[in-house]
Amino acid sequence: AQSVSQHNHHVILSEAASLELGCNYSYGGTVNLFWYVQYPGQHLQLLLKYFSGDPLVKGIKGFEAEFIKSKFSFNLRKPSVQWSDTAEYFCAVNAMNRDDKIIFGKGTRLHILP
Amino acid sequence: DAGVTQSPTHLIKTRGQQVTLRCSPISGHKSVSWYQQVLGQGPQFIFQYYEKEERGRGNFPDRFSARQFPNYSSELNVNALLLGDSALYLCASSFLGGNTIYFGEGSWLTVV
Repeated sequence: AQSVSQHNHHVILSEAASLELGCNYSYGGTVNLFWYVQYPGQHLQLLLKYFSGDPLVKGIKGFEAEFIKSKFSFNLRKPSVQWSDTAEYFCAVNAMNRDDKIIFGKGTRLHILP
Repeated sequence: DAGVTQSPTHLIKTRGQQVTLRCSPISGHKSVSWYQQVLGQGPQFIFQYYEKEERGRGNFPDRFSARQFPNYSSELNVNALLLGDSALYLCASSFLGGNTIYFGEGSWLTVV
């Protein structure tokens, strides 16, 4: 069965600090990988996705993620965070070319201090 | 273009009651999925429908059911509500096949 593990449940950083959120998945086949963000009071939004090709994926708002197949990892990074990045971040996986069932991690709550 | 729309946005029900949540997908999307997000957890897959047929079902009891209409909108029904059903229910739509999936803002259900 597929599963997603996010390493940090709650992260607190100061503005301008660098961010890395860890994500590992468990699945034997080919997958699509996603990071979603949920700002306070808002709906889930797609930050970035990996389907194939370059394992370094760039998303919106300066976020990027690197897919390392050998480590089953898809870590999210941002060189310099802003107060407006305060949100909950979800790593997710979907078995490629199958249905739309997405398996989400439990989320990482990110709090940026001004 | 409108995104995925869900109704109602908030509702309160009593244990044992039944609830129906509604979802309209993005225009052109034929696949609709439902997720449950309990506070402090990631969303969990409940159902997927495509062309009015169930394509996938998560690990939820039979009290949960859904259907998709000819216009691709969908309803999620939950019978015999339990306190533990209190959650944000998310609807998502896509073109079928692992392409980008778009989420609605959700329906907050509180069971008292």
